[in-house]
Amino acid sequence: NAGVMQNPRHLVRRRGQEARLRCSPMKGHSHVYWYRQLPEEGLKFMVYLQKENIIDESGMPKERFSAEFPKEGPSILRIQQVVRGDSAAYFCASSPVSPTGNNSPLHFGNGTRLTVT
Amino acid sequence: GQSLEQPSEVTAVEGAIVQINCTYQTSGFYGLSWYQQHDGGAPTFLSYNALDGLEETGRFSSFLSRSDSYGYLLLQELQMKDSASYFCAVRARDSNYQLIWGAGTKLIIKP
Repeated sequence: NAGVMQNPRHLVRRRGQEARLRCSPMKGHSHVYWYRQLPEEGLKFMVYLQKENIIDESGMPKERFSAEFPKEGPSILRIQQVVRGDSAAYFCASSPVSPTGNNSPLHFGNGTRLTVT
Repeated sequence: GQSLEQPSEVTAVEGAIVQINCTYQTSGFYGLSWYQQHDGGAPTFLSYNALDGLEETGRFSSFLSRSDSYGYLLLQELQMKDSASYFCAVRARDSNYQLIWGAGTKLIIKP
């Protein structure tokens, strides 16, 4: 049973370009979460999606950032017109139940390291 | 808002026991989780407490006191492979039940 798959592992973009990060959740998991991590810091929640729906995007900047989880295919985190401050590790996690599900641990992918030059 | 405090770094000797503390401030507390992360890799779930008391999972145990807004992770019989960063994370109503993470504790184990 494959875990959470993220690609690419590393992504380099110039300022102003677009970054697309992909995440395939574990089999049977319909809840996907995106987190951002800066060096020596904890993870910061960005967005929570369930198939075809954004449930909670309270942690995602209103501009330039968007996320989707289509009926078919992986979840995508899209960053338009990247700036140097977007450089970070972006982690995707999945779970079989909602955040209020009884002790539902998150299963994380290996992350995408985005570097903006 | 929510906040979590945990030590930035802890050093211990192989075979010893170490405790990593976590204090939190939040509204509508739901549960406290612990995750391990090696060298910026995928965080992996270790333990979860929703009620007061101790939860034991092999060499790892986690404790929660809701009245003190405090918890800890206890690691016994330390092994070199336990060298990693350990994060406490709170789920609460005022964060829409999303995990809010501490800054992490880097555990350094010496032979």
